[in-house]
Amino acid sequence: GAVVSQHPSRVICKSGTSVKIECRSLDFQATTMFWYRQFPKKSLMLMATSNEGSKATYEQGVEKDKFLINHASLTLSTLTVTSAHPEDSSFYICSARSGQGAGGYTFGSGTRLTVV
Amino acid sequence: QKEVEQNSGPLSVPEGAIASLNCTYSDRVSQSFFWYRQYSGKSPELIMSIYSNGDKEDGRFTAQLNKASQYVSLLIRDSQPSDSATYLCAVKHTGTASKLTFGTGTRLQVTL
Repeated sequence: GAVVSQHPSRVICKSGTSVKIECRSLDFQATTMFWYRQFPKKSLMLMATSNEGSKATYEQGVEKDKFLINHASLTLSTLTVTSAHPEDSSFYICSARSGQGAGGYTFGSGTRLTVV
Repeated sequence: QKEVEQNSGPLSVPEGAIASLNCTYSDRVSQSFFWYRQYSGKSPELIMSIYSNGDKEDGRFTAQLNKASQYVSLLIRDSQPSDSATYLCAVKHTGTASKLTFGTGTRLQVTL
């Protein structure tokens, strides 16, 4: 089945630094990738949708200059949290879609970001 | 605003019983519906998808969809302790670039 690899699984960084999270589709080409964040005991909140070769579409309230998304190839999307602050600490999850059809959403294993 | 609502629980059922998880959604023209299971600290994993009114069965799981009532449910038969997790309902809307909207999830506890 479709596999999405997400790295790192856990990262601790200092306030003010930037962190990059990678999401790779291993055995399929992902035309669309989604980035979510999840706070403890809360649901997944969509941050942005990225399509290969074009700019990401951010959800309302998500700062595009703070959460930089790059989807340069059909197998790789990256999320960079810039100038991280403690309130950015969260569980970030990517999801990839292989194409059209009702199904086909595959999630990465998630990245636990802690900003100290 | 397109919303997906679930009872947060916890829903506690004894081992071997049927667990019934419910979800309502506000966007009447929603197309596709998904149930995901999420263990603590892990990412969601797909259990079932359903697109048409009625029931869809897969092993111990049955998804039920009623578009007129804007209601989708998940039944877990012969519940096992390993089923203890948070179950997320997700809805794909029409014309929104394939985005999924998730409910807040229902925490299920299967007791011995």
